[in-house]
Amino acid sequence: AQTVTQSQPEMSVQEAETVTLSCTYDTSESDYYLFWYKQPPSRQMILVIRQEAYKQQNATENRFSVNFQKAAKSFSLKISDSQLGDAAMYFCAYQETSGSRLTFGEGTQLTVNP
Amino acid sequence: GAGVSQTPSNKVTEKGKYVELRCDPISGHTALYWYRQSLGQGPEFLIYFQGTGAADDSGLPNDRFFAVRPEGSVSTLKIQRTERGDSAVYLCASSPDRNQPQHFGDGTRLSIL
Repeated sequence: AQTVTQSQPEMSVQEAETVTLSCTYDTSESDYYLFWYKQPPSRQMILVIRQEAYKQQNATENRFSVNFQKAAKSFSLKISDSQLGDAAMYFCAYQETSGSRLTFGEGTQLTVNP
Repeated sequence: GAGVSQTPSNKVTEKGKYVELRCDPISGHTALYWYRQSLGQGPEFLIYFQGTGAADDSGLPNDRFFAVRPEGSVSTLKIQRTERGDSAVYLCASSPDRNQPQHFGDGTRLSIL
């Protein structure tokens, strides 16, 4: 079974600075999707960024970018120019291309200090 | 456009009671998913619908849990003989098809007293 591990329960960053959230996963599949979702106190899971495993180029979305290391099974999220609105719980998630379910990590609580 | 809508937002009930949680997906989304999120943890998959049929129900914890999607749109998650361990946030998500990103609702917080 696939597993997703986020080893940082909590992280903090100063406003306007850069922070990196870590994620590792375990799978025997060669093709799959990886995601970062953000969950503010409102509970809604908001998609931040998506990476397709067969693409070598790292995905970027405005201030958010990933460092995808397929051989190491590592998928970290970099947030540049952090803003107060970035404060939330961040979840890393895995999905097989042949499957449908998302497998989530335990989450990292990000605090942004003014 | 409207996102995924879940009702009620909060539900408090007594142990042993029956509850129904409703999910109204984004219009046109054929894939619908239910997840359960316990306090301090990531969501865990319960069931996936493609159209009206349950394509994968392997995440349902036991036979007290059941879900339907009779017309391929709205889905209802049903829990019989509730237990205190069922207390959690129940999240619903939908996507245009199984290979597209999932869009989540705000969830229903279920509390079993």
